[in-house]
Amino acid sequence: DVKVTQSSRYLVKRTGEKVFLECVQDMDHENMFWYRQDPGLGLRLIYFSYDVKMKEKGDIPEGYSVSREKKERFSLILESASTNQTSMYLCASGQTSNQPQHFGDGTRLSIL
Amino acid sequence: AQTVTQSQPEMSVQEAETVTLSCTYDTSESNYYLFWYKQPPSRQMILVIRQEAYKQQNATENRFSVNFQKAAKSFSLKISDSQLGDTAMYFCAFMHNTDKLIFGTGTRLQVFP
Repeated sequence: DVKVTQSSRYLVKRTGEKVFLECVQDMDHENMFWYRQDPGLGLRLIYFSYDVKMKEKGDIPEGYSVSREKKERFSLILESASTNQTSMYLCASGQTSNQPQHFGDGTRLSIL
Repeated sequence: AQTVTQSQPEMSVQEAETVTLSCTYDTSESNYYLFWYKQPPSRQMILVIRQEAYKQQNATENRFSVNFQKAAKSFSLKISDSQLGDTAMYFCAFMHNTDKLIFGTGTRLQVFP
């Protein structure tokens, strides 16, 4: 079974802090994705990566950055957290060629 | 740009009954993929079913089946013999050849005993 592991289920941080969300997958997938999930808005893509050290902006990249130094790990960084970044963050991985994505359990992030 | 619309924010069904969740999408592409994902209260998103647009036959997975109407750009999910464990958020999603998923806003399904 594919395993996508997010480092924290719940996280509380303060405004202005630099926040790191970590994601690790164990299936040697090429693609990795970060989404945020908000009620009534579904899932929106923040950033994705097709390969190590490669990244591309999704639909809502403002206020975020990412890092992919190793194939299995994809980090989401909030450079200076703000209250409007309070949300559920979901990491996913997938093989190429239009294969389904596999999701982690999510991190519920609260910015106070 | 592609969009996915789920017009039913919430639905409920009695155990053992059948329920259909609606999804429409907009695209100018001819070849693409459609998915239904399920997110139970425990939160992990799980793939329910996948449909390839060039296949006319509707996909089925046990109690889950789709009604794919390409011309109408409709992709509904039918759950037969509903079970309490089917209670979840259901998301319809679209994928073109970029490997990026575009999600609808979700339908919250409650199965009652």
